[in-house]
Amino acid sequence: AQTVTQSQPEMSVQEAETVTLSCTYDTSESDYYLFWYKQPPSRQMILVIRQEAYKQQNATENRFSVNFQKAAKSFSLKISDSQLGDAAMYFCAYTEGNKLVFGAGTILRVKS
Amino acid sequence: GAVVSQHPSRVICKSGTSVKIECRSLDFQATTMFWYRQFPKKSLMLMATSNEGSKATYEQGVEKDKFLINHASLTLSTLTVTSAHPEDSSFYICSASGLALYNEQFFGPGTRLTVL
Repeated sequence: AQTVTQSQPEMSVQEAETVTLSCTYDTSESDYYLFWYKQPPSRQMILVIRQEAYKQQNATENRFSVNFQKAAKSFSLKISDSQLGDAAMYFCAYTEGNKLVFGAGTILRVKS
Repeated sequence: GAVVSQHPSRVICKSGTSVKIECRSLDFQATTMFWYRQFPKKSLMLMATSNEGSKATYEQGVEKDKFLINHASLTLSTLTVTSAHPEDSSFYICSASGLALYNEQFFGPGTRLTVL
């Protein structure tokens, strides 16, 4: 079965510090997309960042960047200069055909 | 762009009644819509995938007679929970994707269903 593993159920970071959320996945596909979604207490799913598997360059989006290691099937998310508004549940996902396969999520707490 | 709405945002119903949840793509044509169920502090569980004009494809273990999905137009999909019971209480999220959107799914704000 295709799976996504987020090994950190919860993480904490001090405001203005940097935190990295880990994600590994298992797919037999060669062409796919990877995503990080944020779900704040409102429960609205918000796209944080997207990576095309055929691109070697790591995606960045302002304070958010990824470390994509295709051979290792690893896709970690780095949040720099953490802000209180970053507190949320973060889900890693990849595309399987037109579906998304989600990890179990990591709860990120930001301390002031 | 790429906004998806859901209605209602929350609904309370009595056991045995049916509830309909609407999912609309407001500014794009959604060739495919997805319905998810989410329990507190858990991940999203895909229930079914629907393509406009065709029958929905349900994930294993999802009762298609209980969770009726209709995708009659490129901007609207509905999920009807029939003969709802307390165990159907959950948070239901829809998402939509279109041909020009790289398989990216855009999510609605969710509907909290409580069955008494």
